[in-house]
Amino acid sequence: EVQLVESGGGLVQPGGSLKLSCAASGFTFSGSSIHWVRQASGKGLEWVGRIRTKANSYATTYAASVKGRFTISRDDSKNTAYLQMSSLRTEDTAVYFCIEWLLPWGQGTLVTVSS
Amino acid sequence: QSALTQPASVSGSPGQSITISCTGTSSDIGNTKYVSWYQQHPGKAPKLMIYEVSNRPSGVSNRFSGSKSDNTASLTISGLQAEDEADYYCSSYTSSDTQVFGTGTKVTVL
Repeated sequence: EVQLVESGGGLVQPGGSLKLSCAASGFTFSGSSIHWVRQASGKGLEWVGRIRTKANSYATTYAASVKGRFTISRDDSKNTAYLQMSSLRTEDTAVYFCIEWLLPWGQGTLVTVSS
Repeated sequence: QSALTQPASVSGSPGQSITISCTGTSSDIGNTKYVSWYQQHPGKAPKLMIYEVSNRPSGVSNRFSGSKSDNTASLTISGLQAEDEADYYCSSYTSSDTQVFGTGTKVTVL
């Protein structure tokens, strides 16, 4: 069964850091680009960023709203992708999803930025 | 990159057909085949309904169809059913090597 399971969310103060994990199973993780998408409560979907495969030099790209603050990485040996978030703002509060564009989404992990 | 523009709401009666538009620019929808549509029920994760403009993933009803003309993509739901009531989002690859989502459309079955 194809699965993407996000973890690592929680409550963090403004200006703080948090690292999310995305554990994949049921498909060839190393051959797949992985994206991060977020959704604030009651709001729409916002694309956060993407990491390509080893064959594409693990190239990353980010939304303007998080560029310079968020970093996506991956460990193909562990079938896991990561989203390192720093300098967090209250507006970063959202459910964060990791996705492979054509596969079913997981349930996401909630990040709350608040003092 | 601004969000793609969708109508806030669309409604229809059971059995009718409705169409949701998704308007972008020549830097996104107008210049790519990578346009997708997602369905999201309250409290649930989004579900892919259409990819590459008009392709349906396995298991998605053929009542859902997608198309594109210039800078606008469209999702048509035919034979509207109560279970189709949900939020729908389009997305597009962009010329900046990023992705952008639409503003979202709430579909109501009357």
